[in-house]
Amino acid sequence: GAGVSQSPSNKVTEKGKDVELRCDPISGHTALYWYRQSLGQGLEFLIYFQGNSAPDKSGLPSDRFSAERTGGSVSTLTIQRTQQEDSAVYLCASSSRGSGGPSYNEQFFGPGTRLTVL
Amino acid sequence: EDQVTQSPEALRLQEGESSSLNCSYTVSGLRGLFWYRQDPGKGPEFLFTLYSAGEEKEKERLKATLTKKESFLHITAPKPEDSATYLCAVRRSGAGSYQLTFGKGTKLSVIP
Repeated sequence: GAGVSQSPSNKVTEKGKDVELRCDPISGHTALYWYRQSLGQGLEFLIYFQGNSAPDKSGLPSDRFSAERTGGSVSTLTIQRTQQEDSAVYLCASSSRGSGGPSYNEQFFGPGTRLTVL
Repeated sequence: EDQVTQSPEALRLQEGESSSLNCSYTVSGLRGLFWYRQDPGKGPEFLFTLYSAGEEKEKERLKATLTKKESFLHITAPKPEDSATYLCAVRRSGAGSYQLTFGKGTKLSVIP
């Protein structure tokens, strides 16, 4: 596609339920990132995938959060046993290269998934 | 720890009234400073990347500049369609260099 796409655009769930958020990066982009944007806060880095390398999960806030990337393309962010503090907009971004070499690569963002935990 | 502070938090301008947004940063080895525009309900839209002090980039009514401690986004003769939240982010060198550290943004409102 022309840009990064995310689904669903909105998700309302009950506390304790699991949710899956999907990201489809720009075709050909090898690097994929997940960020979280909470009300009144800056974007917070969650996880980074580069090609077939092991992902950097250092930004995940708890072990309830996990992510995978299948076939080097689509990624799914899973939140288990959701809590009210998980309510935020989850943004996915992709770029043409990761940290290897001269990597002044702009990250292009999708529209985000707004998650509301009741 | 990398830090990005944007000011003001909100700015209200009359159409045609030029102004500047500030982004102050501390980072271990700057590998790029990025400006994004974010409209309500949408993801950030890339505007500029600046790499070294003294660099400037322009796009329509926007001009971004960079010093060793801060960046400015100058808006000349703004129009209502320039209303958005402007985000600044930095990328560090070394470990974790792919991560962007974002400021909280400046919400710009341009009144006709």
